[in-house]
Amino acid sequence: AQTVTQSQPEMSVQEAETVTLSCTYDTSESDYYLFWYKQPPSRQMILVIRQEAYKQQNATENRFSVNFQKAAKSFSLKISDSQLGDAAMYFCAYTTATGANSKLTFGKGITLSVRP
Amino acid sequence: SAVISQKPSRDICQRGTSLTIQCQVDSQVTMMFWYRQQPGQSLTLIATANQGSEATYESGFVIDKFPISRPNLTFSTLTVSNMSPEDSSIYLCSVGLAAGPYEQYFGPGTRLTVT
Repeated sequence: AQTVTQSQPEMSVQEAETVTLSCTYDTSESDYYLFWYKQPPSRQMILVIRQEAYKQQNATENRFSVNFQKAAKSFSLKISDSQLGDAAMYFCAYTTATGANSKLTFGKGITLSVRP
Repeated sequence: SAVISQKPSRDICQRGTSLTIQCQVDSQVTMMFWYRQQPGQSLTLIATANQGSEATYESGFVIDKFPISRPNLTFSTLTVSNMSPEDSSIYLCSVGLAAGPYEQYFGPGTRLTVT
């Protein structure tokens, strides 16, 4: 069975600094997708970034980028120039490429706080 | 992407009663998912709802407790039956893309408190 591990329950970063959130996963599949979701106190789950396993290039979305290490099964999220609005719970998630009914497997999440 | 709404946004219910949560999507989608999230915890998948067929439940969740309807391609409901305080959670619906990268988009959630 696929598992997603986020071993750090909490992290803190100074505003304007950079922070990296860690995620590892376990799978026997060769084709899959990885995601980072953000959940602020409003509860709305927001897709931050996605990575296709077959792509060697790391995904980037503005201040958010990932370090995808397929052999190590590692998928970390880097947030640059942290802003107060980045404070939220962040979930790493995994799915296999089997169609629209592909289930998401979530990690336990990490709570990120941003210090002004 | 998709815009998803849920009703109600929150509710306080007495034990033994039932609550039906509605999920509406602004476009036709094949698959809808229902999750439960206990405070400060991760998301746990309850079931997958495909239009025109019975929902598929995950281990630990049964249809008698969480009946789901999916009458068309833009709407689904989840009922939490015979509630107990242990059912106090956030319930979220999501929709999945029909093609890669198979990401899901979430509704704003329903915060349920059972007293």
